[in-house]
Amino acid sequence: KNEVEQSPQNLTAQEGEFITINCSYSVGISALHWLQQHPGGGIVSLFMLSSGKKKHGRLIATINIQEKHSSLHITASHPRDSAVYICAAYSGGGADGLTFGKGTHLIIQP
Amino acid sequence: DAGITQSPRHKVTETGTPVTLRCHQTENHRYMYWYRQDPGHGLRLIHYSYGVKDTDKGEVSDGYSVSRSKTEDFLLTLESATSSQTSVYFCAISAARPPDTQYFGPGTRLTVL
Repeated sequence: KNEVEQSPQNLTAQEGEFITINCSYSVGISALHWLQQHPGGGIVSLFMLSSGKKKHGRLIATINIQEKHSSLHITASHPRDSAVYICAAYSGGGADGLTFGKGTHLIIQP
Repeated sequence: DAGITQSPRHKVTETGTPVTLRCHQTENHRYMYWYRQDPGHGLRLIHYSYGVKDTDKGEVSDGYSVSRSKTEDFLLTLESATSSQTSVYFCAISAARPPDTQYFGPGTRLTVL
């Protein structure tokens, strides 16, 4: 079974700071997702990656398949970015092959 | 936003009672999933469905059953609720098989006393 670890578990930063959240996994994968869970509980998919880098607005996600590592970056962070960020790694085998990390709780202070 | 609703949104019940949670989608997506989310754990798959009447077990399926008689509805049943099933339950849908992007419902907070 894939082990998915996220770091840090908690992160508090000031508005405008560059944020990096890391995700590492133990088993080779074919895709990795980044999700955002709002303080109200709703979960939204941000990215799906299988290689390289993707960018959407101020969010950038990168993945290094060989090193079994992915990062989510937030540029010019804003209090509305405060949320839990979750990575999920897919190692194949159907729906059971998607393993979720425990999440990184991000707080951006004004 | 994908059209996914869950009902009820909150429920408090007693140990030993049956509970059914409903997930309803208006996207006509083939795949539907039930997850539970607990402190200290990532989302964990309970059951999933890959079509009407086609379901399979996930990582934490013990104590749960599911049914899907229509494309739009996926029901999760706790036959005899236990305190260990106190959790937040999320339904998700996807148009294609994993790793296709999943869209999540708003969640149901279940408390078993």
